[in-house]
Amino acid sequence: GNSVTQMEGPVTLSEEAFLTINCTYTATGYPSLFWYVQYPGEGLQLLLKATKADDKGSNKGFEATYRKETTSFHLEKGSVQVSDSAVYFCALRNSNSGYALNFGKGTSLLVTP
Amino acid sequence: DAGVIQSPRHEVTEMGQEVTLRCKPISGHDYLFWYRQTMMRGLELLIYFNNNVPIDDSGMPEDRFSAKMPNASFSTLKIQPSEPRDSAVYFCASRTGQGVLPLHFGNGTRLTVT
Repeated sequence: GNSVTQMEGPVTLSEEAFLTINCTYTATGYPSLFWYVQYPGEGLQLLLKATKADDKGSNKGFEATYRKETTSFHLEKGSVQVSDSAVYFCALRNSNSGYALNFGKGTSLLVTP
Repeated sequence: DAGVIQSPRHEVTEMGQEVTLRCKPISGHDYLFWYRQTMMRGLELLIYFNNNVPIDDSGMPEDRFSAKMPNASFSTLKIQPSEPRDSAVYFCASRTGQGVLPLHFGNGTRLTVT
């Protein structure tokens, strides 16, 4: 079946530090991959996506590259800000699972001044 | 664009009571999803609809849970009878089309069953 595994949180970083949140997936075929972000008290919002191998999704300084050879989609940002504190979810959508998204458990990020 | 609207934001009820959660998707979206979020299990898909028809309800935990979508602008998730282990945040999300267009989430309903 389809599944997503994320690194355990919480992750605590100082402002301007480099961020990596690891995500690996299990799926047959060619899934599309996503990162969603959830700010406190809100629903999830799409952060970035990639639809095929070697695609790089980017948004708001965040990047993730679809690596089929390592089945990974790690999220990175060069310099985090306090406002990036949130929970980050890796997700996949596969044609063999209809049109729903399979989410990882989420990784909580806290950025301190 | 008003976004996906869920009500209530918070619900506290006693074990055994019926609970009804409500969702209004974004106008024009033909897919609607119900998710449940807990610390232990993360985000779980409960059920989703396409054009008001339930497509996959394999994530519904048991017969105590039921969901309906009587029209394109309204859906309900009902738990009867409720149990303490149902305590979670329930999200509704909607989307248009079949491609990789993003899901739009509501702000969720935080359910506490005592």
